[in-house]
Amino acid sequence: SQTIHQWPATLVQPVGSPLSLECTVEGTSNPNLYWYRQAAGRGLQLLFYSVGIGQISSEVPQNLSASRPQDRQFILSSKKLLLSDSGFYLCATGGAGAPDTQYFGPGTRLTVL
Amino acid sequence: QQPVQSPQAVILREGEDAVINCSSSKALYSVHWYRQKHGEAPVFLMILLKGGEQKGHDKISASFNEKKQQSSLYLTASQLSYSGTYFCGTVHSGGSNYKLTFGKGTLLTVNP
Repeated sequence: SQTIHQWPATLVQPVGSPLSLECTVEGTSNPNLYWYRQAAGRGLQLLFYSVGIGQISSEVPQNLSASRPQDRQFILSSKKLLLSDSGFYLCATGGAGAPDTQYFGPGTRLTVL
Repeated sequence: QQPVQSPQAVILREGEDAVINCSSSKALYSVHWYRQKHGEAPVFLMILLKGGEQKGHDKISASFNEKKQQSSLYLTASQLSYSGTYFCGTVHSGGSNYKLTFGKGTLLTVNP
C-alpha cells in the first residue's frame, strides 16, 4: 500500500515570504500526483497535477508553482506569499489507470500573516 | 463544472439514517466519495463507475444513476464516528481521467 508524506505539518509565514512544501510517496511507482488547497470551511480546489517527472499541469493561475523533480516527489512553491494563500494544502496520489482513485496525504496547514 | 451537493448540512441522532446527493450538469464517468473529519485529510470511501452500480461499505452505501447524472450516499444506523464533511468528486465523460472536481461538501453531525 502507498504512503504519502507531507512536510511541514504546519507553517506560519509572513506576507511576501517564499514557500516550499514537499510531498513524497512510498509504495508505488509512476503515480499521478496532485496539489489541492482547502480554505477554511471550504471545498477542495485543485491547484496542480502531474502524470510524470517534469510534467505539470496548472489548474488555477496564481502565484504558486509546482515541480516534480523525481518520480515520487512533488513540490509546491511560491516566491512571495499572499494573505489569500492561507489554507490547508493537500497532496494526493492516484494510480496510473482510469478511473483515478485519489488518496490524500496528511496535509500542511499554512497561515500567512 | 463543480457538482452540487445537497443538503449542505444535516444533523442526526445516533442510529438515524441520512442521504447525501451529488448532482452534475454534465455526463459522468465516475463518482468518488470522501469523508473528512475536522482538521484531517479527506479519506476515500468508495468509487462508482457509470453503469448504475451500487456499492456498500459497512453501513455506508452509494448509488450512481447515470441517466440522472447523480449519485447518492446512504448512511444507515449512523454512528458518532460518521460525523464529518462528505465530499463527492466527479470525473466527466470525455474529460480527463485524472482530474476530480469536488463538490462543496455536506457537513454531517451525529449526536448521541
